[in-house]
Amino acid sequence: QKEVEQNSGPLSVPEGAIASLNCTYSDRGSQSFFWYRQYSGKSPELIMFIYSNGDKEDGRFTAQLNKASQYVSLLIRDSQPSDSATYLCAVNKGGGSQGNLIFGKGTKLSVKP
Amino acid sequence: GAVVSQHPSRVICKSGTSVKIECRSLDFQATTMFWYRQFPKQSLMLMATSNEGSKATYEQGVEKDKFLINHASLTLSTLTVTSAHPEDSSFYICSARPWTGSRDEQFFGPGTRLTVL
Repeated sequence: QKEVEQNSGPLSVPEGAIASLNCTYSDRGSQSFFWYRQYSGKSPELIMFIYSNGDKEDGRFTAQLNKASQYVSLLIRDSQPSDSATYLCAVNKGGGSQGNLIFGKGTKLSVKP
Repeated sequence: GAVVSQHPSRVICKSGTSVKIECRSLDFQATTMFWYRQFPKQSLMLMATSNEGSKATYEQGVEKDKFLINHASLTLSTLTVTSAHPEDSSFYICSARPWTGSRDEQFFGPGTRLTVL
């Protein structure tokens, strides 16, 4: 089992719809969870991080964490064509100060005008 | 805030030459910097973790003698690809973790695209 798994997509949604991106992880001891957005040919940029079970909202983005199910998701409301990118889920499997992130392969999102 | 720069952004070199890539945190001090490599349509793969003033920790399968890392200050880490070969062609990205702030948050540089002919 891969450490961090994401559906590679592409996930296609119409403009204005909600895009739902999912991620599962294998290490039950993981403590920190991150969503990055990566445009083609560019480096990742941090969208959100979440540490506690439940929902965390920031503008049009909501991260959801369920540690019992080892599942983290990202919802994008009112999707825009500019949201079209690859979304990377990252997990700190060790916690503490080391800070090493394990990345999933990413889900490619396409928002159609 | 939390800006990380990389230089150069793109480099083309001949096989057998060495290439140095710089990673700088511009507005914060970074206790730890990370070097990643990303091949086309693949995810980020951590190559090594660099701590200021100490030796880098390399991930399994990464040759430390080929990928030399120096973290001389809290704002600068360098990656030198020695005797580069075409299979080393990739997108190299660094990230930095601030001295203060979120314990695990990392900020990425814009990346360096290396092409070895």
